[in-house]
Amino acid sequence: DAGVIQSPRHEVTEMGQEVTLRCKPISGHNSLFWYRQTMMRGLELLIYFNNNVPIDDSGMPEDRFSAKMPNASFSTLKIQPSEPRDSAVYFCASSPDEGPKADTQYFGPGTRLTVL
Amino acid sequence: GENVEQHPSTLSVQEGDSAVIKCTYSDSASNYFPWYKQELGKGPQLIIDIRSNVGEKKDQRIAVTLNKTAKHFSLHITETQPEDSAVYFCAASRWYKLIFGSGTRLLVRP
Repeated sequence: DAGVIQSPRHEVTEMGQEVTLRCKPISGHNSLFWYRQTMMRGLELLIYFNNNVPIDDSGMPEDRFSAKMPNASFSTLKIQPSEPRDSAVYFCASSPDEGPKADTQYFGPGTRLTVL
Repeated sequence: GENVEQHPSTLSVQEGDSAVIKCTYSDSASNYFPWYKQELGKGPQLIIDIRSNVGEKKDQRIAVTLNKTAKHFSLHITETQPEDSAVYFCAASRWYKLIFGSGTRLLVRP
C-alpha cells in the first residue's frame, strides 16, 4: 500500500519567493496533518484537517503560511513570501481516525525546504 | 501545556545488546504514547504505541512500558541490530496533538 506521498522532496528558493508543498494522504484516511521539523524546535504541529476542514491551525507560525485541502486526496502548504527562517523539513501525516481521537498518525517522507 | 522529556540524547550499544530509551510527560490527562523511528532523510515511522489502559506492549524485539503514576514510559529494544541505528522519538497526547520528545540517536555498533 502506498504511504503518504509528498512533493517535492527538496526545494531550494530565494527569500521572498512563494513556496508550495504538496501532500497526498493514505487512501481512506480522513485526517491530515502538517508538521515542521527543525533542530531548535523539533517536530511541531502546524495544522490539522479532518474531512478536508481545518480543525486546528494554532501552530501556523504567521500569516505568511496557509494550508488548503480541496479534496480528500490532496493538500497544500504555501509560504508567501518565504524567509530564511522557514528553512526546515516539512512533514505531512495522515490518520485513519477522526476528530479529536486522530492520534495514530503516519508520516510522509518530508520536504526539505531551504530558503536562501 | 504538555511537555515531554526524552533521555538519553545519544545511545551507543554493541550489536546484540539491549537499548532502553526513557520519556517523561507532564500532562496527567495524556492517554496515547507512540514511538517513532526516523532514519536519515526519511519521515518518522510509527514502530509501536501504547494507550493508558495498558502497562506493557511487545512486538517482536521491541516493547514499550508505561507507568501512569510516575508519568513515564520507555522503549526497549532487545538483540539490537545495525539496522536499528536511527533517531527515535517518543510522543504523548490526549487527543490528536502529539507532543514529541527531543529524540534519541541510537547507534548500534557491529
